[in-house]
Amino acid sequence: QVQLQESGPGLVKPSQTLSLTCTVSGDSYGSGSYYYNWLRQHPGQGLEWVGFMSDSGSPKYNPSLKSRATISVDTSKNQFSLKLSSVTAADTAVYYCVRDNVASGTGSFDSWGQGTLVTVSS
Amino acid sequence: DIVMTQSPDSLAVSLGERATINCKSSQSVLYSSNNMNYVTWYQQKPGQPPKLLIYWASARESGVPDRFSGSGSGTDFTLTISSLQAEDVAVYYCQQYYDTPYTFGQGTKVEVK
Repeated sequence: QVQLQESGPGLVKPSQTLSLTCTVSGDSYGSGSYYYNWLRQHPGQGLEWVGFMSDSGSPKYNPSLKSRATISVDTSKNQFSLKLSSVTAADTAVYYCVRDNVASGTGSFDSWGQGTLVTVSS
Repeated sequence: DIVMTQSPDSLAVSLGERATINCKSSQSVLYSSNNMNYVTWYQQKPGQPPKLLIYWASARESGVPDRFSGSGSGTDFTLTISSLQAEDVAVYYCQQYYDTPYTFGQGTKVEVK
C-alpha cells in the first residue's frame, strides 16, 4: 500500500520560492508503473494540476504556471520535490502529492497524500 | 486546455434517493486507439484529499460501492449515486485525462435534503 507524505514550510513570503517534498513509501521510483504529480487546491475551490515527473525523469508542467514550477526527484530517498518561484497570494493553496497509475492505462490518480497548506503572505 | 463544466454546482437529495451529476468537456475525450473515454470521477469529503471513484468514465474503482456509477461518451458524462447514503455527502469532481494540462470540473456539492 503506497503512502505519500507532503512536507515543507506552511508560510512563504511573496516573491520567494515555495519548496515542497513528497516522500513515497511502498513503491519505488523507476518501477515503470507510476508517475508522480503535484496538484493544488485553492481555499474553498477546485483542483488544479501543477505537473508530473515521469518514470524516465522527464517532467511536464501546467503552462498556466508560466514556467515558475520545477519538479525533481531524489531516487535515493524516494522523494519528489516541487519548487514554485516568484509566488504571490494566488499561490496560496493546499498542495497534494498524487500518484498516477500510468501502467494501468486508466488515467486515474489512485493515491493521494493528505495535502499541505501553503500560505503566501508577508 | 480542455474545459470541464459540471452541473449543478450543488444539489440536495433525500436519503435513499438518486443523485445525478453532469460533466461536459469542451472537446471529445474519447481515445480512438482503445475506444476509452478518459474521464475520471473523484469524491472529496471535508478535510480529506479526493478519492478515486470512477475511471474510463464508467469503470468503478475497487472497493467503491456499486451505488456509484458513471456513464457517457465523447463530451457528456454523468455520475449517478443510485441511493444516497449519509456518508456520500461530499464534493464530486470530474477530470479529463485525455491531454495535459489535466483539468477538473468546478465540483458539485451533494447534501442531504
